[in-house]
Amino acid sequence: ETGVTQSPTHLIKTRGQQVTLRCSSQSGHNTVSWYQQALGQGPQFIFQYYREEENGRGNFPPRFSGLQFPNYSSELNVNALELDDSALYLCASSQGQKEETQYFGPGTRLLVL
Amino acid sequence: QKEVEQNSGPLSVPEGAIASLNCTYSDRGSQSFFWYRQYSGKSPELIMFIYSNGDKEDGRFTAQLNKASQYVSLLIRDSQPSDSATYLCAVRIAGSARQLTFGSGTQLTVLP
Repeated sequence: ETGVTQSPTHLIKTRGQQVTLRCSSQSGHNTVSWYQQALGQGPQFIFQYYREEENGRGNFPPRFSGLQFPNYSSELNVNALELDDSALYLCASSQGQKEETQYFGPGTRLLVL
Repeated sequence: QKEVEQNSGPLSVPEGAIASLNCTYSDRGSQSFFWYRQYSGKSPELIMFIYSNGDKEDGRFTAQLNKASQYVSLLIRDSQPSDSATYLCAVRIAGSARQLTFGSGTQLTVLP
């Protein structure tokens, strides 16, 4: 167990809907990164938050957005869901500037119909 | 060319053998290298990381890094059926905001 939690564990949505995924980081970690993992692929970086500010973004459209709260928990929001958004969404926490090793939560499996 | 490449496998080894997993990366400025294990239906679990050229050992696992050849490998000694999983190589590319770039993973099966 990494101490990183995510909710919900599974989610089914229909195309065009919006979804919010949540992540609580490990105690003492101030950095949260979000990844999308399609079946049979490695995780792809969506964005990272460090002390409540976006600290880097991967090649994902603006309909993927997020935020980080003062307690360092984080949300990933996806608007206008598409079928290709079906994937495992992973949250990883780290200590930010001092320690870059990232520890993953259990993930949220999203299915878009 | 993909930034991080791994043979997708599947790689099969008999129980007790050494499993060798390989990863190449394209950015010479890459600084940090990580190996994660992912069981089917689960999230990635960190096995070990390596920053400097050479070998780093942790129990049955050894990571090897050769920056000149842009190559990182993971050796698993005395492989066990419980080691059967997908192994993901991840690289932090220089200049990136601590994001990790992953390969597609190598599926390892250890046969009893």
